[in-house]
Amino acid sequence: NFMLTQPHSVSGSPEETVTISCTLSSGRVASTYVHWYQQRPGRAPTTVIFRDDQRPSGVPDRFSGSIDRSSNSASLTISGLKTEDEADYYCQSFDSFNPVVFGGGTKLTVL
Amino acid sequence: EVQLVESGGHLAQPGGSLRLSCAASGFGFDDYAMHWVRQVPGKGLEWVSGISWNSNIVKYADSVKGRFTISRDNGNSSVHLHMSSLRTDDTAMYYCVKDYSDTVIHCSMDVWGHGTMVTVSS
Repeated sequence: NFMLTQPHSVSGSPEETVTISCTLSSGRVASTYVHWYQQRPGRAPTTVIFRDDQRPSGVPDRFSGSIDRSSNSASLTISGLKTEDEADYYCQSFDSFNPVVFGGGTKLTVL
Repeated sequence: EVQLVESGGHLAQPGGSLRLSCAASGFGFDDYAMHWVRQVPGKGLEWVSGISWNSNIVKYADSVKGRFTISRDNGNSSVHLHMSSLRTDDTAMYYCVKDYSDTVIHCSMDVWGHGTMVTVSS
């Protein structure tokens, strides 16, 4: 079964930069798209990155996405951390059999 | 402004049925695929079902296949999820989600609704 693996948690201090990884269990990251969603406590998810590195309008440029072919993974990087960035972050992709697969989620704590 | 408003979630008995609805506004509804995604409180996201712009392609997670049916009414800008043979593990918040594209082959979520809670319990 196709899976996306994320770290359970990451943390950083205000103004620091954090990176959340998302590793594909099969297939090639360069042959698919990875998307990222933010879910603040008690709120619905919102999209922060789509199609690997595209930012929806309204999402600050502190959020960026990238892929790494060597590790077959995607990453979400948040620079200039703010307390409002504290949330759960989910990556999502697909394969030939599953049109939507979510990673298990990463809890970001801003110290 | 794009808005998705879910309704229909409430307490249901195991083995029972429920129909969720999602009213869309602020965009060309019949240009986009739509999805239902659920989340057990305190747990991660689980995709449930998706439907293409013209209803020609519908897809389901294995966990709901044969029990849930997704449909859409482009004239009324709405999407529905008919849930039957409900089980206690269907208990979750159900989100209606707009896709970036018109198909459900390679999906990416764009705008999310606020969700409607379904509780399955005797």
